[in-house]
Amino acid sequence: QQQVKQSPQSLIVQKGGISIINCAYENTAFDYFPWYQQFPGKGPALLIAIRPDVSEKKEGRFTISFNKSAKQFSLHIMDSQPGDSATYFCAAGEGGKLIFGQGTELSVKP
Amino acid sequence: DAGITQSPRHKVTETGTPVTLRCHQTENHRYMYWYRQDPGHGLRLIHYSYGVKDTDKGEVSDGYSVSRSKTEDFLLTLESATSSQTSVYFCAISERGKGSNQPQHFGDGTRLSIL
Repeated sequence: QQQVKQSPQSLIVQKGGISIINCAYENTAFDYFPWYQQFPGKGPALLIAIRPDVSEKKEGRFTISFNKSAKQFSLHIMDSQPGDSATYFCAAGEGGKLIFGQGTELSVKP
Repeated sequence: DAGITQSPRHKVTETGTPVTLRCHQTENHRYMYWYRQDPGHGLRLIHYSYGVKDTDKGEVSDGYSVSRSKTEDFLLTLESATSSQTSVYFCAISERGKGSNQPQHFGDGTRLSIL
């Protein structure tokens, strides 16, 4: 049973475009929603995180949109750059434990 | 980068042999986690620790055991490795855990192949 579903599996975006990755969760007890970025051969690195009492959080070119009633949240990468090419994971947390989505491989073409 | 060191970084071993992976942190964080990463599954929690000698199971704990005798070290043991345990293993640390979600910071992983 997948508690956090992430889509798409892969995404190709032109430089300067907007990358959008979506996640849906089932457990309403989740109270922490981070996004991680992972480059080949490295561990996941925390990118941005949101708690369910806000609907949007922005840090630089990265924005999380959160819809509590729909149990969905998404990552928007504005002005996507080739250096953003990586695998992105959403996660949902409860009691200090995280459940991860399956990952999205993003490729930004020059 | 968070002070997390995983060792070894790569290991190839045979089915049925015992394997121990080590995670060492210099941040003095209370919480430590072991995950495995497999294509199509994201990262799945194996075991975690909320203090010295305090550990608990995650969603894929069968076939794995852990120990934490010091704050800085968290060991993951495969008592009798199987080919299904071929994976990339990540350690993570967090300043606080239960009851208060805090960011988890990851090491660079151990690539384990079981033939």
